[in-house]
Amino acid sequence: DAGVIQSPRHEVTEMGQEVTLRCKPISGHNSLFWYRQTMMRGLELLIYFNNNVPIDDSGMPEDRFSAKMPNASFSTLKIQPSEPRDSAVYFCASSLRDRVSGYTFGSGTRLTVV
Amino acid sequence: GESVGLHLPTLSVQEGDNSIINCAYSNSASDYFIWYKQESGKGPQFIIDIRSNMDKRQGQRVTVLLNKTVKHLSLQIAATQPGDSAVYFCAELKGSRLTFGEGTQLTVNP
Repeated sequence: DAGVIQSPRHEVTEMGQEVTLRCKPISGHNSLFWYRQTMMRGLELLIYFNNNVPIDDSGMPEDRFSAKMPNASFSTLKIQPSEPRDSAVYFCASSLRDRVSGYTFGSGTRLTVV
Repeated sequence: GESVGLHLPTLSVQEGDNSIINCAYSNSASDYFIWYKQESGKGPQFIIDIRSNMDKRQGQRVTVLLNKTVKHLSLQIAATQPGDSAVYFCAELKGSRLTFGEGTQLTVNP
């Protein structure tokens, strides 16, 4: 298995532009998570899905952030409009629900908003 | 609010020594406590977990200790190797929600 696949690896965009981050979870995993990592705030859970349904989006910072999971093999995190303070590394993770050791992270997308 | 945090931001050890990384938590309702390792440019990688009703669990070269009385979690790495250099996070799992602590940078000196 290729693991959790995120794209792009790096994204540089101008303030005000729309940014879309993509994630392909591990096949067979039924939970998907989006995290944001910054030096100031560490790893923060933004939103997670069980069986493609959003369960908890309380970590989504503002209405500018939205996430979708149209099917079991794909999810997007969109920021519109982007701001410099959104600069961070965004991680996607997937797991088989109730399997603690199976929580697997992708390599992340480093987003820079200038 | 409830949180998971780490005592020390950095730890430097000599190759071959044992390392101990500590973590304090405040949410007693967590189901599991977990240690992750994050290398530069990569996502966190699972190391070992411990169920909240246990106090010790051993893996290959790693041991996790849970002291519920003082709400303290530790990761012990035996015979630390250069490849162990990374940031280590403790995390707590409640249901499907995984909450991370701040991270400790472990540096192994040759």
